[in-house]
Amino acid sequence: AQSVTQPDIHITVSEGASLELRCNYSYGATPYLFWYVQSPGQGLQLLLKYFSGDTLVQGIKGFEAEFKRSQSSFNLRKPSVHWSDAAEYFCAVAGANNLFFGTGTRLTVIP
Amino acid sequence: NAGVTQTPKFQVLKTGQSMTLQCAQDMNHEYMSWYRQDPGMGLRLIHYSVGAGITDQGEVPNGYNVSRSTTEDFPLRLLSAAPSQTSVYFCASRGDRGGNQPQHFGDGTRLSIL
Repeated sequence: AQSVTQPDIHITVSEGASLELRCNYSYGATPYLFWYVQSPGQGLQLLLKYFSGDTLVQGIKGFEAEFKRSQSSFNLRKPSVHWSDAAEYFCAVAGANNLFFGTGTRLTVIP
Repeated sequence: NAGVTQTPKFQVLKTGQSMTLQCAQDMNHEYMSWYRQDPGMGLRLIHYSVGAGITDQGEVPNGYNVSRSTTEDFPLRLLSAAPSQTSVYFCASRGDRGGNQPQHFGDGTRLSIL
């Protein structure tokens, strides 16, 4: 069965520091993977997606993610975090009629 | 460009009351879905629809009904609200039936059951 694990519930980084949010998935075939961001009181906004091809995918707001089949991972990265990146981040894997979400990682950015 | 619109944004109900959460999309998407978001549990699928007249259950369908009479609208009904249904509800849509395309989410409905 499909599932997603985000092992970090809460991460705090300084503004300007680099960021990596971890995501591990379980899926029997080639996965379709997504990262979404949710600001307080808002819906989910798509940051980036992986379907096939290049394992390093670029997204909006300067984010990127790398698909590693051998590690069943799809970690999200950003070289320099801005205060406006403070939000909750969700990794998801697509099933036929569902998106299976991880439990999310809350990012706090300190000045 | 409205995208996915959910109403109301907030609602407080008493146990046993019924209500309908509205969802409309203007992108002519075939697939629509309802999720609930609870702390520490991510989002879980309640019901989904792959087109007008077609609906099916997701992971947590109990206590909820849906219908899809038009492509644009996908209302979620709580027939007899229970405190366990206190949650944030998100409606989403995507352009394909097969699961490859990303879903577009509404801003959510925050529902409290007293």
